[in-house]
Amino acid sequence: DQQVKQNSPSLSVQEGRISILNCDYTNSMFDYFLWYKKYPAEGPTFLISISSIKDKNEDGRFTVFLNKSAKHLSLHIVPSQPGDSAVYFCAASDPGGGADGLTFGKGTHLIIQP
Amino acid sequence: KAGVTQTPRYLIKTRGQQVTLSCSPISGHRSVSWYQQTPGQGLQFLFEYFSETQRNKGNFPGRFSGRQFSNSRSEMNVSTLELGDSALYLCASSFGPTGNEQFFGPGTRLTVL
Repeated sequence: DQQVKQNSPSLSVQEGRISILNCDYTNSMFDYFLWYKKYPAEGPTFLISISSIKDKNEDGRFTVFLNKSAKHLSLHIVPSQPGDSAVYFCAASDPGGGADGLTFGKGTHLIIQP
Repeated sequence: KAGVTQTPRYLIKTRGQQVTLSCSPISGHRSVSWYQQTPGQGLQFLFEYFSETQRNKGNFPGRFSGRQFSNSRSEMNVSTLELGDSALYLCASSFGPTGNEQFFGPGTRLTVL
């Protein structure tokens, strides 16, 4: 039973355009959401997070939107750059740190085309 | 400040053997979590240690175990290895015992033959 779902295994976007990565969750107890970026042969690196009391968080080119009623969040990257090509993981935790640690989606491979 | 380090980076074992992986968290971080990453399953939580105590455990068989030392360094052990244990094992550290922002190490690539 996947509690965090990233339904697009891969996404191809032209350089300079907007990249939108989507994530859906089923556990209504999740109250904190994170996005991680992973290059091959490296561990994931934290990108941006959002608490359930907010619906938007912005950091430079990266913006995360949270729609609690739809149990959906998205990561927007504007403008997309070649160095953004990586696998992006959506993760969620519930109050008190999470009985299951962070719950991750399976990742979306973002490919930025020149 | 040094990041999370994991040793060894690569490991090849045969079925039935056991293996121990090591993780050194960022200085000052007291929480260490372990994850298994496979192509089909993504990142799956194994367990979390905080102040030498296992705080949370994921849905893995008892062959997977771990411990944390007083200096916050952590080890995980897998006994009676199976082919399906081949994966990238990631360690992550954080300051507090939460599921919030964690800093990941580069991982240990385990191949079971």
